[in-house]
Amino acid sequence: TQLLEQSPQFLSIQEGENLTVYCNSSSVFSSLQWYRQEPGEGPVLLVTVVTGGEVKKLKRLTFQFGDARKDSSLHITAAQPGDTGLYLCAGATNNAGKSTFGDGTTLTVKP
Amino acid sequence: KAGVTQTPRYLIKTRGQQVTLSCSPISGHRSVSWYQQTPGQGLQFLFEYFSETQRNKGNFPGRFSGRQFSNSRSEMNVSTLELGDSALYLCASSLGDRATGELFFGEGSRLTVL
Repeated sequence: TQLLEQSPQFLSIQEGENLTVYCNSSSVFSSLQWYRQEPGEGPVLLVTVVTGGEVKKLKRLTFQFGDARKDSSLHITAAQPGDTGLYLCAGATNNAGKSTFGDGTTLTVKP
Repeated sequence: KAGVTQTPRYLIKTRGQQVTLSCSPISGHRSVSWYQQTPGQGLQFLFEYFSETQRNKGNFPGRFSGRQFSNSRSEMNVSTLELGDSALYLCASSLGDRATGELFFGEGSRLTVL
């Protein structure tokens, strides 16, 4: 069974602070996705990382895939209240045909 | 292009009843996956359909079933509802290319079982 562990589970910070969310597994994934979900809505895809060591930037968000393709991190610079939400990582493998999701990190950014 | 559409958005049922949820994927997407989301368990994979065939299945009892039609629209059914089935049921569509793993979710169907 593939498991993805996210940390921290909850994070409450002030506007302007930086933060990092971690996603770890003992399994190797073909690709890893990060999603953001707001209350009452479905998750929205933010990024896909495929290559070990890959770094992708999306405005103030930086995503990194571990060299061994077992872990990933999401770093947010100068967080804003609009960043508030549930951040989910998900790993996919070619043969599984399904994505395994972490339990999520609930981020609250206070103005 | 239009996103993933799920109906109904909200529904309330009582124990023992059954429910059918519907999902229309993004045009051109041939894979539809269903997930159950609860506060305690997170997102749990139910099943995936591709070209009208169930391609993968999660660890849920047989009360949970699904199907996919020739136009890629999908339905899932839960029979003999239990209180623990209360959850947000999410449908996700994708091109079907397993290598990318990218999923595009609908807004979900919120099921409450009383």
